[in-house]
Amino acid sequence: DTAVSQTPKYLVTQMGNDKSIKCEQNLGHDTMYWYKQDSKKFLKIMFSYNNKELIINETVPNRFSPKSPDKAHLNLHINSLELGDSAVYFCASSQVRGMNEQFFGPGTRLTVL
Amino acid sequence: DAKTTQPPSMDCAEGRAANLPCNHSTISGNEYVYWYRQIHSQGPQYIIHGLKNNETNEMASLIITEDRKSSTLILPHATLRDTAVYYCIVRVNYGGSQGNLIFGKGTKLSVKP
Repeated sequence: DTAVSQTPKYLVTQMGNDKSIKCEQNLGHDTMYWYKQDSKKFLKIMFSYNNKELIINETVPNRFSPKSPDKAHLNLHINSLELGDSAVYFCASSQVRGMNEQFFGPGTRLTVL
Repeated sequence: DAKTTQPPSMDCAEGRAANLPCNHSTISGNEYVYWYRQIHSQGPQYIIHGLKNNETNEMASLIITEDRKSSTLILPHATLRDTAVYYCIVRVNYGGSQGNLIFGKGTKLSVKP
């Protein structure tokens, strides 16, 4: 029983395309997150979101947008993909915002050619 | 910006205790110390957290100095599966962007047979 799942696991695409990564959690958590891990292995928060509030890291380009159809899902849409977007993207969730323990998904490795 | 300092790498013999240090000399009174780890090609995994007192769970023990300026994560009997990057994170335990996890470079622990 996977707690936080992401699809696809691997995504290879051309520059300029628009793509989405899906995330689902079956933990009943209120808050979900997206993180980006670059080639140097630095892991950075991109968004945190619950049904009340979206908090965006100011360094995230507006080509990135989270969309939440319901509490259990937080999808990441990326428009006009650039080479620098190549990274591993992790989804996570916590019971409430700021809760101590976050559960992470397995990651999606995005490669932009 | 990470507010912690960790050694970049450590080795440990299988079956021995692994003691991972972390310095957080500028920690505030309302900031907790969290430990996560990331096994290769997986999402980060929560290990333990504490404020002042030492903490123990099924995975590890956390020893926080009395002045709270440093801490040590102890894996009592390291196994090969504990090989991972270990992140020490200080954060407040409430919502908003200040409650986000900020990952530094961590310590790459290699458990050797």
